[in-house]
Amino acid sequence: QKEVEQNSGPLSVPEGAIASLNCTYSDRGSQSFFWYRQYSGKSPELIMSIYSNGDKEDGRFTAQLNKASQYVSLLIRDSQPSDSATYLCAVGPLRNDYKLSFGAGTTVTVRA
Amino acid sequence: GAGVSQSPSNKVTEKGKDVELRCDPISGHTALYWYRQSLGQGLEFLIYFQGNSAPDKSGLPSDRFSAERTGGSVSTLTIQRTQQEDSAVYLCASSMTAGSSPVREQYFGPGTRLTVT
Repeated sequence: QKEVEQNSGPLSVPEGAIASLNCTYSDRGSQSFFWYRQYSGKSPELIMSIYSNGDKEDGRFTAQLNKASQYVSLLIRDSQPSDSATYLCAVGPLRNDYKLSFGAGTTVTVRA
Repeated sequence: GAGVSQSPSNKVTEKGKDVELRCDPISGHTALYWYRQSLGQGLEFLIYFQGNSAPDKSGLPSDRFSAERTGGSVSTLTIQRTQQEDSAVYLCASSMTAGSSPVREQYFGPGTRLTVT
């Protein structure tokens, strides 16, 4: 079982719609959770971090964390063509939480 | 302010040669990390520095890989006797430190694309 799993893409959504990205993790004691956006040929860019159960909103992005279910998600509201990218879920384990484990990523395409 | 910088942006080398990759972290960030991203392997952790020391080298793939950091700032990742399977994008990230632990948010540099022919 992979440490971090993301729903397989690609995910295609129309402009203005909500894109929903999911991520599950295997280390039950994980404490830190991140979403990175990576444009083709570029490096990952941190867009959200979440540490406590519940929702965290930042602009058009909402991260949701449920530690009991070992599940973290990212919602992108009012999707724009500029949101077209690969989104990486990263999880910091209980021990050595600097050592992030990354999912394989979900590629999102926003159709104009 | 300035972000993480890496050089070179691209490096093409022949199999068997040594290469050095450089990372300059965000000013004030004392924790520094090297990752590797390749097709089919995703993003994998290589090594972590706190100041000039490397408490965790567990991700280095073989003894051909080494890294150092001097002055608590610039880091160099060296790959000796490069092999074709070393071809990948090498990413550096940095984070602040609070007390003895790194603050969790890691910020990535633009990466070095290494191609071994």
